[in-house]
Order: sequence, then C-alpha cells, then structure tokens
Amino acid sequence: AQSVTQLDSQVPVFEEAPVELRCNYSSSVSVYLFWYVQYPNQGLQLLLKYLSGSTLVKGINGFEAEFNKSQTSFHLRKPSVHISDTAEYFCAGAYSGAGSYQLTFGKGTKLSVIP
Amino acid sequence: DGGITQSPKYLFRKEGQNVTLSCEQNLNHDAMYWYRQDPGQGLRLIYYSQIVNDFQKGDIAEGYSVSREKKESFPLTVTSAQKNPTAFYLCASSIRFGEQYFGPGTRLTVT
Repeated sequence: AQSVTQLDSQVPVFEEAPVELRCNYSSSVSVYLFWYVQYPNQGLQLLLKYLSGSTLVKGINGFEAEFNKSQTSFHLRKPSVHISDTAEYFCAGAYSGAGSYQLTFGKGTKLSVIP
Repeated sequence: DGGITQSPKYLFRKEGQNVTLSCEQNLNHDAMYWYRQDPGQGLRLIYYSQIVNDFQKGDIAEGYSVSREKKESFPLTVTSAQKNPTAFYLCASSIRFGEQYFGPGTRLTVT
C-alpha cells in the first residue's frame, strides 16, 4: 500500500525564523505530490503541487517544496514565518490505481509560530 | 466564484438518527470525495465518485451511504449504524492527477 509519512506531528518556531516540515512518500513509477494547509475549523487549501518538471516548487504564502526522488522526500520550507502561518499542514501523494488517482494523506504537522 | 459548498457548518443530532450532509460544487469536476477527520488521524476516505450514478467505498465506508444523481452534488448520509459519528467531515472534488479542492467542512456532533 502507498503511504505518506510526515515526520513531525508538531513544530514550534519563532516568528521570522525559517521552518521545514518534513514529508516522505512511498516510491512509485508515477506519483504526484501536494501540500495542503488547514486553519482551525476550515477545509484544506492547496499550498503547492509537484506534477513534473522542476523539482523546486513554489506555492502560495511564500512556501516552497523540493521533490527529491532519491530520498523519496517532499519537504515544505519557508524562509521566514509569520504568526498567520500557524495552522496544520498536510502532505499528500496521488498514486495511480484503477484508472484514477487517489490521494494518500500524511497525518499532518501542526505548525505553531511563537511571537 | 467557483467552489465547493458544504452545509450546514455545524450539525447536532441525537444518537440513533440518520443525518445527511450536503456537498455541492460548481467547478465542473467529475470526481468527488468524502473524508472524515479526527484529531491526530489525518483524513480518512469514506466514499468517492468518479462519475454520475457511480461511487466506490473508501477505507471507512461502514455506517455511511452516498448518492451521485447529479454531477454537482454528492450528499453523505451518516446512518445510525456508524458507531462513532462525531467528527469533522470534508468534501472534495478533482479533475485530474489527484489534485483535490476542498469544501469548508461540516462538524457533526452526535449525543
């Protein structure tokens, strides 16, 4: 079975410091990778996606992620966080199966930005 | 504005009652999904539908039912057979490559 693992359940970081949220995925011939953000009591919002091409992907709110095939990782980074980045972040992989792509989600990482 | 709507935002029911959660999308997406979210467990797939009048069970379909009579609508019924129905329910839709767009969610509380 395909799997996506987020290595940290909680990450505290001071405001204006850099942050990295780690994600590893199970290898497959064809996989597409996503990061989503969820604010309390809201739905998930797509931050960025890797479908093909450049391994460095830029998303909204100043976030970026790097697709690393050899290490099967797709870590999310931001050089300087703001209080408003406090949220839960989900990494997800889309694997082909039965003619469609299903998303497999990691269990989430709660980012807490400390003033 | 295109998007996904879920209603209501909060729903309260007594144990033993069936309840239906609404999900509507105007993105013209073929595929729609229902997820359940519990603290610390991420998202778990309940049902999905790739086309009108067809749907498949996800990982935790027991105690739930769905219908897909229109492309825009994918309602979820939480039946009295669902042992722990209190949760946050998310609906999503997609057009390609698994890229899914989510609604705002419905928080169901059963007492």
